[in-house]
Amino acid sequence: EPEVTQTPSHQVTQMGQEVILRCVPISNHLYFYWYRQILGQKVEFLVSFYNNEISEKSEIFDDQFSVERPDGSNFTLKIRSTKLEDSAMYFCASSVSSGAGGPVYNEQFFGPGTRLTVL
Amino acid sequence: DAKTTQPPSMDCAEGRAANLPCNHSTISGNEYVYWYRQIHSQGPQYIIHGLKNNETNEMASLIITEDRKSSTLILPHATLRDTAVYYCIVRVATGYSTLTFGKGTMLLVSP
Repeated sequence: EPEVTQTPSHQVTQMGQEVILRCVPISNHLYFYWYRQILGQKVEFLVSFYNNEISEKSEIFDDQFSVERPDGSNFTLKIRSTKLEDSAMYFCASSVSSGAGGPVYNEQFFGPGTRLTVL
Repeated sequence: DAKTTQPPSMDCAEGRAANLPCNHSTISGNEYVYWYRQIHSQGPQYIIHGLKNNETNEMASLIITEDRKSSTLILPHATLRDTAVYYCIVRVATGYSTLTFGKGTMLLVSP
């Protein structure tokens, strides 16, 4: 069964460093997302991406964050200068639209996550 | 998206049915009810969704009241592996509509 994969599973970095989290969405999906979950807290939406541009972003997704689909398979989240409060699990998700004319079933399929620890 | 209310925790004996309630009294006519779950620190997993009819798949059943103000997720024969946080989310099913997670219900399945 197709699945979303993420690398690395755990990233440790120093405050102020840049990190890139990588995701490979399910191959025929059109929409891509990043969410994060700080330890013990709710899963929070960061950004959605469609047709090579950001569709929607939350207040969390400030200028320190960027997303990119550098090729036909990868979807990346970059944090330019990490802060202590960026420590969290980061989840990538993807979904596919059923197309025009009918209801769009937008089940999002999540990857296993990358645990980011900022020291 | 409409707000949902779920109990913070529930217990269930292994092999018994787990019935997880969700209130969504402000749901709009074009909003679906989605259920996801998150097994300890893993990525959320889609379970089922519905608009107004009851739905069943290989994982669970979803019962939506006639007025659509509440719903119940049923795991017919809960196993230890079903121990997880279960999220009820109400949203319009557009192409890229986001998921807004609440605190969900922590379901503990015991032997």
